[in-house]
Amino acid sequence: DTEVTQTPKHLVMGMTNKKSLKCEQHMGHRAMYWYKQKAKKPPELMFVYSYEKLSINESVPSRFSPECPNSSLLNLHLHALQPEDSALYLCASSQGRDYEQYFGPGTRLTVT
Amino acid sequence: GESVGLHLPTLSVQEGDNSIINCAYSNSASDYFIWYKQESGKGPQFIIDIRSNMDKRQGQRVTVLLNKTVKHLSLQIAATQPGDSAVYFCAENNAGNMLTFGGGTRLMVKP
Repeated sequence: DTEVTQTPKHLVMGMTNKKSLKCEQHMGHRAMYWYKQKAKKPPELMFVYSYEKLSINESVPSRFSPECPNSSLLNLHLHALQPEDSALYLCASSQGRDYEQYFGPGTRLTVT
Repeated sequence: GESVGLHLPTLSVQEGDNSIINCAYSNSASDYFIWYKQESGKGPQFIIDIRSNMDKRQGQRVTVLLNKTVKHLSLQIAATQPGDSAVYFCAENNAGNMLTFGGGTRLMVKP
């Protein structure tokens, strides 16, 4: 199984809402990632979890809050987002550094 | 900061021809590079990777070349098919599990 799953596929939320994005992998990977991708742009790294601990936060605003409940799950909690936060949010996982990252299909987020 | 970039934003090729997508990187300390394919509405899909101790690596219909002297990476696709139409990203894996993507090249295959 080389699949990373993400839910929901699409999400529309208001600026005062609280929502969560979910990611799951069952490949035994110990590194998991959140990326943000704007239209016609490459993915940009947001967070890295290694062995369930946050190892990299790329200066992401606090309205994005990641969580890694266990080695297979990764969440991204959203609160008080801005319209410019609308993007495709991608989750990925890998065995570690110097190994390919497997990406999920993404969650298309629209903030109104 | 240092970055990975691409030479051409759009490449149009005839079905059956070979395609070459180029990428320049600036971090001379980078030691691992990956090519991804992204189709519309999907996440990036791993194509092939190469480590800095290699100059060339081949997969099924794809070849990646690495020239460390000029910090250049290329992806060659043989006998390009309509299903190859997508955006292709090179990515540089540097310290600490960080993947930095280039700007992307859109490959369009004409039947």
